[in-house]
Amino acid sequence: GENVEQHPSTLSVQEGDSAVIKCTYSDSASNYFPWYKQELGKGPQLIIDIRSNVGEKKDQRIAVTLNKTAKHFSLHITETQPEDSAVYFCAASNPMNRDDKIIFGKGTRLHILP
Amino acid sequence: DGGITQSPKYLFRKEGQNVTLSCEQNLNHDAMYWYRQDPGQGLRLIYYSQIVNDFQKGDIAEGYSVSREKKESFPLTVTSAQKNPTAFYLCASSMLTGSSYNEQFFGPGTRLTVL
Repeated sequence: GENVEQHPSTLSVQEGDSAVIKCTYSDSASNYFPWYKQELGKGPQLIIDIRSNVGEKKDQRIAVTLNKTAKHFSLHITETQPEDSAVYFCAASNPMNRDDKIIFGKGTRLHILP
Repeated sequence: DGGITQSPKYLFRKEGQNVTLSCEQNLNHDAMYWYRQDPGQGLRLIYYSQIVNDFQKGDIAEGYSVSREKKESFPLTVTSAQKNPTAFYLCASSMLTGSSYNEQFFGPGTRLTVL
């Protein structure tokens, strides 16, 4: 089955700098890669996703890149702000699997330093 | 407003007692999921259901049970057989597509503490 590895587990960046979180996956048939943000005491919320027919997607300050050959994808946050502090999860899914499950990484706790 | 709700937000239980966590969605989603979240462990799948009256075990189903009598409801029972039930529990739902992406929408979670 699919396995998703996420690095780093904790990341601290100065406000205004960029943050990068990296994930690798094992199932070459996976073709959907969402990123979720979880604020303290709340459920995760989807912030951006990418499908395997594109290599990069951008939405304002956040972008995701996908390298299918190497089976890794990354989240990039530019001009970080205090409200970016949260736990971020990457995930991978092969929608053609009968069980329709999404496999999550273990999360990255992002701290934005003032 | 469409969404997914979980209740209660905080729940306390004595050892040896069963407890049921509620999850309701009005998104008309086919699939529903229960995850357990522990510090540093990410999201681990407990049970999931793709259709009414049917559900499957996830990666850590032991000590838990579920039912899916209605499309909008997927309650989770934490039984006394669960050895370490203190955790944050998240419910999610998604459309079943079979050939396209399947975004999961999460509820706000229930924090269960065993006293």
